[in-house]
Amino acid sequence: EPEVTQTPSHQVTQMGQEVILRCVPISNHLYFYWYRQILGQKVEFLVSFYNNEISEKSEIFDDQFSVERPDGSNFTLKIRSTKLEDSAMYFCASSEDGRAENEQFFGPGTRLTVL
Amino acid sequence: AQKVTQAQTEISVVEKEDVTLDCVYETRDTTYYLFWYKQPPSGELVFLIRRNSFDEQNEISGRYSWNFQKSTSSFNFTITASQVVDSAVYFCALSESNTGNQFYFGTGTSLTVIP
Repeated sequence: EPEVTQTPSHQVTQMGQEVILRCVPISNHLYFYWYRQILGQKVEFLVSFYNNEISEKSEIFDDQFSVERPDGSNFTLKIRSTKLEDSAMYFCASSEDGRAENEQFFGPGTRLTVL
Repeated sequence: AQKVTQAQTEISVVEKEDVTLDCVYETRDTTYYLFWYKQPPSGELVFLIRRNSFDEQNEISGRYSWNFQKSTSSFNFTITASQVVDSAVYFCALSESNTGNQFYFGTGTSLTVIP
């Protein structure tokens, strides 16, 4: 069964450093997403991406964040200068298209720890 | 304002008991979709069910059942004869046809099934 994969599973970084989180969405899916879950809290939407452009983004997704599809398979989230409060689990998701009724398939997450 | 409210933060039940997880949502859209996801201790998000706003028929899948009531804006989830493997955090989520493709998650209910 096709699945969304994410690497690394755990990333530890120093405050102020840049990090890139990687995701491989399901191959025939057209919409990609990043969500964030601070420990013990709800899952929060960051951004959606379609046709090499940001489709929608939340207030959390400020200038420190960027997304990219550098090739035909990877989808990345970059945090330019990490802050302590960026420590969270980051989930990538993909869906066949952007319709509201479609299930979003989530990856296993990357746990980011900022020291 | 919260679009999805899961008032129960933590629930503990003894194995074989039935348990109901509550979800209340808020939306102005006439077309919307509700989802339940399970997050086991390993951290991934596992899709359980999707419901659209036009289908209020309750659904049963094995030990799982869902009660969708538009009159009370609720989409509750019942596990019958709970098992230890049901221990997880359960998230209710909403997507709206008119407001883009993001999912709005509740804060989750942590279920512990005691053997």
